[in-house]
Amino acid sequence: EDKVVQSPLSLVVHEGDTVTLNCSYEVTNFRSLLWYKQEKKAPTFLFMLTSSGIEKKSGRLSSILDKKELFSILNITATQTGDSAVYLCAVEDYSGAGSYQLTFGKGTKLSVIP
Amino acid sequence: GAVVSQHPSRVICKSGTSVKIECRSLDFQATTMFWYRQFPKQSLMLMATSNEGSKATYEQGVEKDKFLINHASLTLSTLTVTSAHPEDSSFYICSARELLSSYNEQFFGPGTRLTVL
Repeated sequence: EDKVVQSPLSLVVHEGDTVTLNCSYEVTNFRSLLWYKQEKKAPTFLFMLTSSGIEKKSGRLSSILDKKELFSILNITATQTGDSAVYLCAVEDYSGAGSYQLTFGKGTKLSVIP
Repeated sequence: GAVVSQHPSRVICKSGTSVKIECRSLDFQATTMFWYRQFPKQSLMLMATSNEGSKATYEQGVEKDKFLINHASLTLSTLTVTSAHPEDSSFYICSARELLSSYNEQFFGPGTRLTVL
């Protein structure tokens, strides 16, 4: 079964709208949760969250983690067409022998129309 | 910021041939490199984890004899798809974890799109 679940899978909004993307997870040895933006090529890093309740912010994007309820949200305010992308959530957990690995969710495809 | 390159960015090959993809960390040393595969409209799936100087650890369902990984130095890992078939067509992405980073962040390469005819 999926360890990282994102919702919704796709979303279409108008420019200027605010969106909230969700990510829930279930891993044994949680280390961090990361958000990425993927356009046509490889993902680009947005945020890394390790502590509950501390909001990370970068311009119009913000994210917060709830380690008790095992989820995170990514907010984008005043959306622009350039925000159109697939947003990936990944959870880093300890896989043994001193190694950590990322497990990705399926992503949320955001389309912002003018 | 840390930069990871991949070469080639795109490759088209005939069925049965082997294809090598290189992943390089350009301005940092990487203790660990990861290889992912992404099919259209799917998420990234981890194929294998490689540490410099040791054998790669493959995820369940990934054939180690088909996807050969060599992590010869702290800045270079290669993935060779042997006897490629059309079902191997995919987007292959590597990432590298910096040796001295306190955050253990992974830096992603730009990806290689493989098309097997």
